[in-house]
Amino acid sequence: DVVMTQSPLSLPVTLGQPASISCRSSQGLLRSDGTTDLNWFQQRPGQSPRRLIYKVSNRDSGVPDRFSGSGSGTDFTLKISRVEAEDVGVYYCMQGTHWPHSFGQGTVLEIK
Amino acid sequence: EVQLVESGGGLVQPGGSLRLSCAASGFTFSSYWMHWVRQAPGKGLVWVSRINSDGSYTTNADSVKGRFTISRDNAKNTLYLQMNSLRADDTAVYYCATFGTDWYLSYWGQGTLVTVSS
Repeated sequence: DVVMTQSPLSLPVTLGQPASISCRSSQGLLRSDGTTDLNWFQQRPGQSPRRLIYKVSNRDSGVPDRFSGSGSGTDFTLKISRVEAEDVGVYYCMQGTHWPHSFGQGTVLEIK
Repeated sequence: EVQLVESGGGLVQPGGSLRLSCAASGFTFSSYWMHWVRQAPGKGLVWVSRINSDGSYTTNADSVKGRFTISRDNAKNTLYLQMNSLRADDTAVYYCATFGTDWYLSYWGQGTLVTVSS
């Protein structure tokens, strides 16, 4: 099974400052069609997960452009250019290339 | 508006059974794969099961193989998860979700809590 490893697991950030979360997969996520099914989700307290990024770098509808995704192969990154109060929550990377699909452990973003 | 509404959760004794349902609306249910994902209290997200659009193909995580069965009724726009031989470590919020065609969409329900305890 593919193991997704995130770092850091805790991310205190000052409002208005940038934030970055790393995600590494134990196997490559490139599919035979050339796409990579690496997603990023946000889960605010008491809410269902909400996807922010699909296929490494594509923002979902309604996601602010301060969120961006990058990476390839086994190494991926989620960046928030300027953290806002509403960004507090847990962030998960998730791979959909291999079954079973798998999530990272989650990164808790909090405001300093 | 897309809606996924789970139901059927509750308290069950170890070894017992429950059937979860997920009622879908606002999209062409019969076109998309459907998934169950769970989250134990205070823990992360774990994939449980998936089913293809016409219900002919299913896969389950090793932790639930032989105990859980995913199914769907496209005429009723409803997804199911039959859970048998429940254990304490199955205690979790269970979410149904769909990701459209080839992961281009993402819709989740609000989740239903399953508690396995004597």
